[in-house]
Amino acid sequence: EAQVTQNPRYLITVTGKKLTVTCSQNMNHEYMSWYRQDPGLGLRQIYYSMNVEVTDKGDVPEGYKVSRKEKRNFPLILESPSPNQTSLYFCASSSPQGGYNSPLHFGNGTRLTVT
Amino acid sequence: AQSVTQPDIHITVSEGASLELRCNYSYGATPYLFWYVQSPGQGLQLLLKYFSGDTLVQGIKGFEAEFKRSQSSFNLRKPSVHWSDAAEYFCAVGVSGGYQKVTFGIGTKLQVIP
Repeated sequence: EAQVTQNPRYLITVTGKKLTVTCSQNMNHEYMSWYRQDPGLGLRQIYYSMNVEVTDKGDVPEGYKVSRKEKRNFPLILESPSPNQTSLYFCASSSPQGGYNSPLHFGNGTRLTVT
Repeated sequence: AQSVTQPDIHITVSEGASLELRCNYSYGATPYLFWYVQSPGQGLQLLLKYFSGDTLVQGIKGFEAEFKRSQSSFNLRKPSVHWSDAAEYFCAVGVSGGYQKVTFGIGTKLQVIP
């Protein structure tokens, strides 16, 4: 089954403790991205990757890092989480074979709480 | 830069009633437009998209949307709502010629009452 898999689904951590949220897709998609969803703000893009070793900042990249060493994986790293990073995070992927702005395939989300 | 406005944060409709969710966009060129649906605890799923051609597009689950360039709108409609349609709906706009710069609206939460 074609899917985007995020782990963990829920994560509670403390300020300053480094964490990684994993994202993996099995559709051989070149493009992957991370969004955060906050009430009243919708989805905002954190980082995106056009292909392996090619990443770029989205609209809200501060406090986050990403890497794309393999095509299927796109982990989101919070080196020193802060309470304002408490949010619902989504990973998404798509393929340029569908043309520019091909529809995104989303994971089921990771709810992060930073205390 | 493009932007999307969903003026209704929360809408309540009766089961069987018709539905229209509003979406207005701002972008200087021809936009790529999407509607996604998010069921509780789930990721977003594409309902329909508009790139070009016929301005009335059909999507999954009986939804349709109409692109009106003169009004910069892309409203989502369904003639008869089912209880399972209760979810949050997001309108999104993509930049033509730019790869995957998609901007989402803040979402409209739909409640369906019996």
